[in-house]
Amino acid sequence: EDQVTQSPEALRLQEGESSSLNCSYTVSGLRGLFWYRQDPGKGPEFLFTLYSAGEEKEKERLKATLTKKESFLHITAPKPEDSATYLCAVQAMGYQKVTFGTGTKLQVIP
Amino acid sequence: DVKVTQSSRYLVKRTGEKVFLECVQDMDHENMFWYRQDPGLGLRLIYFSYDVKMKEKGDIPEGYSVSREKKERFSLILESASTNQTSMYLCASSFRNMNTEAFFGQGTRLTVV
Repeated sequence: EDQVTQSPEALRLQEGESSSLNCSYTVSGLRGLFWYRQDPGKGPEFLFTLYSAGEEKEKERLKATLTKKESFLHITAPKPEDSATYLCAVQAMGYQKVTFGTGTKLQVIP
Repeated sequence: DVKVTQSSRYLVKRTGEKVFLECVQDMDHENMFWYRQDPGLGLRLIYFSYDVKMKEKGDIPEGYSVSREKKERFSLILESASTNQTSMYLCASSFRNMNTEAFFGQGTRLTVV
């Protein structure tokens, strides 16, 4: 059974204080690993897809990396508008189903 | 832009009522999904559909059914609503045979009283 574990559950940062969110996963052949951002009361918004170990993707202050067992979402010099819950999800080869982690709630304080 | 639209943002229903949640997508996606999201439990898959009239059970299908009569529309049905079905319900869609992400609707906050 596919499993996704995200840590920490919650993270509080000062504006400008860089940090990383972790996503550990087990899957029988990775088709894709996804990162989403979710604001309160809204649906998740897609950020990145990573397909193979060693791959990296960037968007503004966010950078996602992937190894065979985990993914990191690095946040550089965060701003208060980066406050949200960040979700990680995996999809196995040959399957349409996506398994989500429980998320990391990030709060960036001015 | 891909758009996934859920028919209601907020719903309040009584125990025992039959409840319909509707979802429409405009990107010709083959796959459509229904999730529920609860604090501490994350997103859990209820049902998904990979084609018209096709459906597969997810992780928590008990108490729910689905209908997909047209490619763009996927309905979630609570046959007899119960208080433990109070939750945020999220619809998503994606292409079937490509390594692409799913796009989500804005969510329906259902309260069963």
